[in-house]
Amino acid sequence: SQTIHQWPATLVQPVGSPLSLECTVEGTSNPNLYWYRQAAGRGLQLLFYSVGIGQISSEVPQNLSASRPQDRQFILSSKKLLLSDSGFYLCAWSRDISPYNEQFFGPGTRLTVL
Amino acid sequence: AQKITQTQPGMFVQEKEAVTLDCTYDTSDQSYGLFWYKQPSSGEMIFLIYQGSYDEQNATEGRYSLNFQKARKSANLVISASQLGDSAMYFCAMREGRSNTGKLIFGQGTTLQVKP
Repeated sequence: SQTIHQWPATLVQPVGSPLSLECTVEGTSNPNLYWYRQAAGRGLQLLFYSVGIGQISSEVPQNLSASRPQDRQFILSSKKLLLSDSGFYLCAWSRDISPYNEQFFGPGTRLTVL
Repeated sequence: AQKITQTQPGMFVQEKEAVTLDCTYDTSDQSYGLFWYKQPSSGEMIFLIYQGSYDEQNATEGRYSLNFQKARKSANLVISASQLGDSAMYFCAMREGRSNTGKLIFGQGTTLQVKP
């Protein structure tokens, strides 16, 4: 069966510091990978998606970047964090972009920027 | 315009009773999928149930069923025999066939509290 991992689970960082969040998927190959951010008490907003190694697309312009160095690894980064980067970050995978397939989510990383 | 609308910010239900969480959607796409996710206080998004735009039967998954009314563009989640562990936030979401990302479009969520 497939599992998706994220770490760290929680992170408190000062403004201006760098960020690296990692997501890995097990039990499947060539998944579509997604990074979402959730503001407190709100729905999720797509940040980045990837259909393969080295292929990254950004949904909204922002202070963050993403990379996919391996088939089942997806990394979210920032060189200098802003207060507005605080939130709950969720990684997800799906088999493809078909509207008839589910997306499965990792446990999330709660980021607080002070 | 909102693509997914959940009009109930919060709901209460007595344990063992059924509850309906509302969801309406807006799309001009003929091919789309509708999904419900549960988010407990731990934060993880747990997939519950799915309905495809061409499915004629309402989806069911254990105590969860989806009341799909295509003409009204609604996809309400019904939870039967509520349990205390059902207390969580519930999100309705959609994937559109014409999307080149396959992203999920989420509603704002409904917080469900089950009373003993």
